[in-house]
Amino acid sequence: EVQLVESGGGLVQPGGSLRLSCAASGFTFSNHWMSWVRQAPGKGLEWVATIKPDGSEKSYVDSVKGRFTISRDNAQNSLYLQMNSLRAEDTALYFCARGRINNDYWGQGTLVTVSS
Amino acid sequence: QSALTQPPSASGSPGQSVTISCTGTSSDVGAYNYVSWYQQHPDKAPKLMIYEVTKRPSGVPDRFSGSKSGNTASLTVSGLQAEDEADYYCCSHAGSNNFVVFGGGTKLTVL
Repeated sequence: EVQLVESGGGLVQPGGSLRLSCAASGFTFSNHWMSWVRQAPGKGLEWVATIKPDGSEKSYVDSVKGRFTISRDNAQNSLYLQMNSLRAEDTALYFCARGRINNDYWGQGTLVTVSS
Repeated sequence: QSALTQPPSASGSPGQSVTISCTGTSSDVGAYNYVSWYQQHPDKAPKLMIYEVTKRPSGVPDRFSGSKSGNTASLTVSGLQAEDEADYYCCSHAGSNNFVVFGGGTKLTVL
């Protein structure tokens, strides 16, 4: 059974940093593109970042470029999102999802709240 | 990156059909056959319902179908059932720079 379990969310002050993790199981992690998608409270979905299976290609939404870094550890079956210079508008539930454009499996999300 | 345009709401009675539109541009929906649709129930993770415009993942009922014409994609739900009541989001590839863009979402109500 495919499982994606996010962790690392929490309350952080504006300008602060947070590192999200996603533990994957039930499939060959190293064969799949992986993505982060977020959803602000009461709002719609927003793609954040995507990484190639070997980590050699990464793409980001414009609003996080230069602040967020997506990475992965295929030996640990884990996906990460390093978030720096956090802003209030980054407040959202962050989902880890399998896939590049078609995300066929999603985690339950981890909540990031940016507030003073 | 601009979000794709979806109607905020749609509705239908049980057994009826409803179609949700998703309008983009010649740089996203119109340029690629990489449009997908997601269903999201309250406080749940999204679920992939349609990918590559018309394809259904295993386990998705054939009551759900997708299509595209020009810069507009559509999701049709036939034979509406109570459990179809949810938010639906379209999504499209948008090129190497903007990569992926979502629609604003449509709340489907089964009357």
